[in-house]
Amino acid sequence: QVQLQESGPGLVKPSQTLSLTCTVSGGSINSGGYYWTWIRQRPGEGLEWIGYIYYSGSTSTFYNPSLRSRLSISEDTSENHFSLKLDSMTAADTAVYYCARGVYVMGFYFDSWGQGTLITVSS
Amino acid sequence: QSVLTQPPSVSGAPGQRVTISCTGSSTNIGAGYDVHWYQQTPGTAPKLLIYRNTHRPSGVPDRFSASKSGASASLAITGLQAEDEADYYCQSYDSSGVFGTGTKVTVL
Repeated sequence: QVQLQESGPGLVKPSQTLSLTCTVSGGSINSGGYYWTWIRQRPGEGLEWIGYIYYSGSTSTFYNPSLRSRLSISEDTSENHFSLKLDSMTAADTAVYYCARGVYVMGFYFDSWGQGTLITVSS
Repeated sequence: QSVLTQPPSVSGAPGQRVTISCTGSSTNIGAGYDVHWYQQTPGTAPKLLIYRNTHRPSGVPDRFSASKSGASASLAITGLQAEDEADYYCQSYDSSGVFGTGTKVTVL
């Protein structure tokens, strides 16, 4: 059974760049067929899809339009992990960040999730 | 902001049946995209509860069921139990993944 684990700094200063990594075990991120996804949840709020990376011979990414200008998602198949970079962080980016495995059939669903990592933006 | 609307809260006594609605539009659920449901208890990650409108992953009790019609969907919990107290989110697709506003289920 695939497992995902996020890792990150916990605290980020305003205007800095957030870097998160999601390490995948029990499955290969380059085996194809899955959309490796980042999702976040601001305190007390609902879930927000951030973006995904998909590998099938070559890599494709798709980002939430509201974050596209600040966002980059990449993968390291040798380490079996994928990463998120979000520039120009503000207090509004304070959230629990989850990585998840997406399955695409008439839209996506997310069948495996990491435990989440809380990222606080504060000076 | 979410494009899928859910009631903020529903409640029921143990053993009762509760339903949660998820209202979308012609660009998401109404366009034929599947609806999926997640359960989230405090401090934990969401857990897939229903996928592709009606299917339960292995291990999900059969007291959870769901349906989809037109641009809406609904989740039903029959025989409500204390452990069902959680937040529930619907999710579909609308040029990207979109989640519902979330519903808190309280067991009285």
